[in-house]
Amino acid sequence: GDSVTQMEGPVTLSEEAFLTINCTYTATGYPSLFWYVQYPGEGLQLLLKATKADDKGSNKGFEATYRKETTSFHLEKGSVQVSDSAVYFCALRRTGSYQLTFGKGTKLSVIP
Amino acid sequence: GAVVSQHPSWVICKSGTSVKIECRSLDFQATTMFWYRQFPKQSLMLMATSNEGSKATYEQGVEKDKFLINHASLTLSTLTVTSAHPEDSSFYICSAVLAGGPGEQFFGPGTRLTVL
Repeated sequence: GDSVTQMEGPVTLSEEAFLTINCTYTATGYPSLFWYVQYPGEGLQLLLKATKADDKGSNKGFEATYRKETTSFHLEKGSVQVSDSAVYFCALRRTGSYQLTFGKGTKLSVIP
Repeated sequence: GAVVSQHPSWVICKSGTSVKIECRSLDFQATTMFWYRQFPKQSLMLMATSNEGSKATYEQGVEKDKFLINHASLTLSTLTVTSAHPEDSSFYICSAVLAGGPGEQFFGPGTRLTVL
């Protein structure tokens, strides 16, 4: 079945540091890939997405590129802020389905 | 746009009682809604898929008689935890799919259930 593997957290960075959160997936066909962010005590918000190979999703300074050859969708940000502290979930959705398959989430803490 | 609300945002109840959680799409119609459960420091576990006007589809291992789902309109789905026990304590999150849209899920803010 489909699966998503994220790097284990927690990740602690200083403000303005570079962020990478690794995400790889296993799925048949060509799924759509997503990054969601969950702030403390809240639901999930879509951060960015990519629907086909080599697509780059970007939002709020975050980027991720759909790499089919490595089945990866790593999340990056050049300079993190304290307000980026949250849990980040990588997810995939198979073509023709509404269902999402989530990774376990990576908690990011950014310290001043 | 595409706002999903949940009510209540938190609830504390006694063991053996039933609790109803509402999920509403505020500014769009949703033929499909999902219910997830999230344990502390873990990912979201899909519990069931709720389709307007029909019975919910439950994931393997989820007791349909314990977690009753009703999707009576295009903007409202409810999850009722019947005869709740402490092990049912969790964070419950719903999501809604825009009818006729590309299939993106919009998530509610979640409901924290604590069963004493």
